[in-house]
Amino acid sequence: DTGVSQNPRHKITKRGQNVTFRCDPISEHNRLYWYRQTLGQGPEFLTYFQNEAQLEKSRLLSDRFSAERPKGSFSTLEIQRTEQGDSAMYLCASSLASLLAGGYNEQFFGPGTRLTVL
Amino acid sequence: LAKTTQPISMDSYEGQEVNITCSHNNIATNDYITWYQQFPSQGPRFIIQGYKTKVTNEVASLFIPADRKSSTLSLPRVSLSDTAVYYCLVGGITGYSTLTFGKGTMLLVSP
Repeated sequence: DTGVSQNPRHKITKRGQNVTFRCDPISEHNRLYWYRQTLGQGPEFLTYFQNEAQLEKSRLLSDRFSAERPKGSFSTLEIQRTEQGDSAMYLCASSLASLLAGGYNEQFFGPGTRLTVL
Repeated sequence: LAKTTQPISMDSYEGQEVNITCSHNNIATNDYITWYQQFPSQGPRFIIQGYKTKVTNEVASLFIPADRKSSTLSLPRVSLSDTAVYYCLVGGITGYSTLTFGKGTMLLVSP
């Protein structure tokens, strides 16, 4: 299966701890996105990368959150000093964006990492 | 980005056709309408996209009236496996990267 993968699938941590999630996009995709989803809500955009450059960040992404995409391949999302309000599903998506392709840059989502902060 | 409004939930039975309507009164000229499907504990999955009139693929049809202020996702002959949350999104293709999801419509298909 060459879809988007995320690890771990589940993470339980205590308040105040740091956590890091990993996303491996579809190999030829140059764009990578992070979303957060809480129960009963649709996914909320956090940030996205075009290759290794982080081009946009939501105001939802506080200073405790940092994302990287070294070498434009996999990405990591780190949350420092976790709070109970950080409990959510963290979704990663990737797409192939090309000016030549035209049309819609369909985003392919991974299965998500469910974070529970105790 | 244009705001979308869709029913919170819908119920149906296997074999029926389901139509989910989404309102987007402030849709801009260069906005497209896209629908995603999400099963529990999975990420959303693209279903269909359109700009105007009707679009059909192997999964669904999308009907868009001339004024484009609403759209209807049509699922023919639903099965139990179509039970999911369906999201309507509006945005331009060129240059827009982020997806703005609402709360979606929870479709429950019963035997």
